[in-house]
Amino acid sequence: RKEVEQDPGPFNVPEGATVAFNCTYSNSASQSFFWYRQDCRKEPKLLMSVYSSGNEDGRFTAQLNRASQYISLLIRDSKLSDSATYLCVVLNNAGNMLTFGGGTRLMVKP
Amino acid sequence: EPEVTQTPSHQVTQMGQEVILRCVPISNHLYFYWYRQILGQKVEFLVSFYNNEISEKSEIFDDQFSVERPDGSNFTLKIRSTKLEDSAMYFCASRPFGEQFFGPGTRLTVL
Repeated sequence: RKEVEQDPGPFNVPEGATVAFNCTYSNSASQSFFWYRQDCRKEPKLLMSVYSSGNEDGRFTAQLNRASQYISLLIRDSKLSDSATYLCVVLNNAGNMLTFGGGTRLMVKP
Repeated sequence: EPEVTQTPSHQVTQMGQEVILRCVPISNHLYFYWYRQILGQKVEFLVSFYNNEISEKSEIFDDQFSVERPDGSNFTLKIRSTKLEDSAMYFCASRPFGEQFFGPGTRLTVL
């Protein structure tokens, strides 16, 4: 089983749509969780941390289910500028290594 | 806003040559990292560095790789004898306590 697994997509959605991405992780001792965004040939940029209680930042909502080892990201009212690859990222128990999923590609069309 | 910087942006080298990739982490950060991303693949952890020593390294980070913080600002990754499969984007990252911030990367092409 892959350490961090994501559906690669692509997800093709119209502007204004709501889209959800899921991610599973294999190491139950993982400490922290993040969603990063990566544009083509650019560095990963932190989108948001993911907390057990769920958290929201504008149009973005992240959820964590530790029992199921499952993380989600919801994007509401999609914009053209949301087109990117979304990376599910897990921090190990020692806090010194990030493990990345393969990413989910989102394409928002007019 | 402070940023992680990396030089060069693109490095082309011949197989078997040594390369040094340079990074300047954000100034008050204490933890430093190198990751790589082969074209079309996921980002992979190479090494983490704290208090002037390696704190974690992956299987990829073999004897051909080394890291150094030669002064108070630079953080370098050296590959002693490059192989074709070392061709990738190499990202440096740093953090104070929480999230890691990534530099723009160095694209290494080994011919």
